[in-house]
Amino acid sequence: AQSVTQLDSQVPVFEEAPVELRCNYSSSVSVYLFWYVQYPNQGLQLLLKYLSGSTLVESINGFEAEFNKSQTSFHLRKPSVHISDTAEYFCAVRGNQAGTALIFGKGTTLSVSS
Amino acid sequence: DAGVIQSPRHEVTEMGQEVTLRCKPISGHNSLFWYRQTMMRGLELLIYFNNNVPIDDSGMPEDRFSAKMPNASFSTLKIQPSEPRDSAVYFCASGRGTHGYTFGSGTRLTVV
Repeated sequence: AQSVTQLDSQVPVFEEAPVELRCNYSSSVSVYLFWYVQYPNQGLQLLLKYLSGSTLVESINGFEAEFNKSQTSFHLRKPSVHISDTAEYFCAVRGNQAGTALIFGKGTTLSVSS
Repeated sequence: DAGVIQSPRHEVTEMGQEVTLRCKPISGHNSLFWYRQTMMRGLELLIYFNNNVPIDDSGMPEDRFSAKMPNASFSTLKIQPSEPRDSAVYFCASGRGTHGYTFGSGTRLTVV
């Protein structure tokens, strides 16, 4: 079984500041890792994923996450946030077999203000 | 591609009534998942299907909940009878292979 811990429930930051949203996971098998974003009253959108290979993965809108196997972490970072990045962010894990379910963390609310 | 389609978007019903939520996955996806989102419990996996076969329903809260996937393009989640504590946003997601899963816009259920 897998589990995910998102260490911060809320992260307030000012526009153009850097941000890190922390995620730790536990699993007895090899895993794939994901970050999803949810804007108010919308569904979840895939932000980025780690399947294998390079431990640093990037999204098209400037976010990146690094898989750290020894620390069982997959923290999400952005060097300079925008107001439009305000949303809830979910870290998720699943086993690396096809068709296994995503297990989500409790989410982190990122609030960006000017 | 229309994405994962859920209906209705909003449902308000009285306690004791039957509620049916519907989901049309993306064509070609062979895995389908039902999740429930609440403030208190976050995103909970209820049940999922691979190739229309239920694989794990251990997240279904109790016998009042049931889910079916009669074919590759349609799934339902039924609550009978509904209770106020079932109020939540219910999401359907579909996927294939190692790709990330695509979520629908959700059904916001309110049981009064």
